[in-house]
This record gives sequence, structure tokens and C-alpha cells, in this order.
Amino acid sequence: QVQLVQSGAEVKKPGASVKVSCKASGYTFTSYGISWVRQAPGQGLEWMGWISAYNGNTNYAQKLQGRVTMTTDTSTSTAYMELRSLRSDDTAVYYCARVDTAAPIDYWGQGTLVTVSS
Amino acid sequence: DIQMTQSPSTLSASVGDRVTITCRASQSISSWLAWYQQKPGKAPKLLIYKASSLESGVPSRFSGSGSGTEFTLTISSLQPDDFATYYCQQYNSYSPFAFGGGTKVEIK
Repeated sequence: QVQLVQSGAEVKKPGASVKVSCKASGYTFTSYGISWVRQAPGQGLEWMGWISAYNGNTNYAQKLQGRVTMTTDTSTSTAYMELRSLRSDDTAVYYCARVDTAAPIDYWGQGTLVTVSS
Repeated sequence: DIQMTQSPSTLSASVGDRVTITCRASQSISSWLAWYQQKPGKAPKLLIYKASSLESGVPSRFSGSGSGTEFTLTISSLQPDDFATYYCQQYNSYSPFAFGGGTKVEIK
């Protein structure tokens, strides 16, 4: 069965960076893309971007351009999302999710809480 | 970028009620629209894709309609398990995959 297992919770200071991992199993990793979505406490879903696991092409949300990098390691079927220059309003649960071409998200990771606090 | 606007933001309803949630896109997205249900502390769950196609395993009381810029999610007879927050998302390949702001369905 398809599973996306994310790394554990993180606490970071303002200005630091965080890198969240998402290990995929149960499907051919390079046949799909991975989207990253975050949700601040009590708020809605925010799409952060997408990476093709096939060729590494990316598409980032404009508001995060320059601070976010999404990568994949096909040898371990793992996707990564790094967010730099963290601010308190980056505090959120970060989800990875599987997505196919011209298709919506069908599987989600369990979420990773990133807390940014001095 | 395409913006997605949902209404209402909160909806109070009773078990058995017919519930309709609206999602509007700032420009045409054809039928590239999905609906998700999210419960507290959980990841969202896909309900509807391509505006009106029911995801496997989702109860038939959920339905979606619309195309272009205006879409609706309807729950024909609200059940206790349906009290949750619902999000629309556009997945047009040529634009970031924005979500609507969400609609919380509460018990009246």
C-alpha cells in the first residue's frame, strides 16, 4: 500500500533552516510527483510547491520563492523540503503528498510539526 | 496566479440537512478541481476530483459540480461523520495548485 512517512517534529530559532524528509513506499517513486502543503495552527491549507520525482522539475509558490528548495533522492525514494530564514509565521504542520500529472493529491504523509520560536 | 475563494467559511447544519459549499476560481480552470475533507489533527482526504468524479470509497451522498470558475460540493444528507472542514483545490498544470480558504461544517 502507498505510504508517505515523514520525519519528526522540529523546533527551530528564527533565521534558521529546516529540512523535512518524506519517504515513499508502495509505488514507483519516479512515476509521480510530490507536493508539499503546510497548515499553520488553526489555519487553512497552503500549497508550497511541487517536484517531479522523475526529472526533478520544480514549481514553487511565489511567496516562498528564494526560501524553499525541494529535492528528491530516487535511490531511497525520499523527498525533501528545505525552508530557510525561518520566521515565526512558518510555524505549521508540513505535509508531503503524492500527485500524478493532471491529477489531485491522492496520498498524504502524516505531517511534520515545525515550530519556530526564540 | 489563480486564486480560489470558498464560501461560506463556516456553516452550521443538522444531521440530515442538505449542504452546499461553493468554490470560485479567479480564472477558468476547466474541470481541474478537487474537494478534500479534513478532520482535526489529520491529513486531508480526497473526496472529489475533476470537479464531479467521486473518489473510490467515498459515500455517494457527496457530489461535485461545476466547470470554468464556479464549483459546488454538495452533501445530500449530512451524517455525524461529515462534520469537518472542506477545501477545494485547483490543479491546472499551468498554475500553482492553490487551495480555497476552507469551509468548516459545524453542528447546529
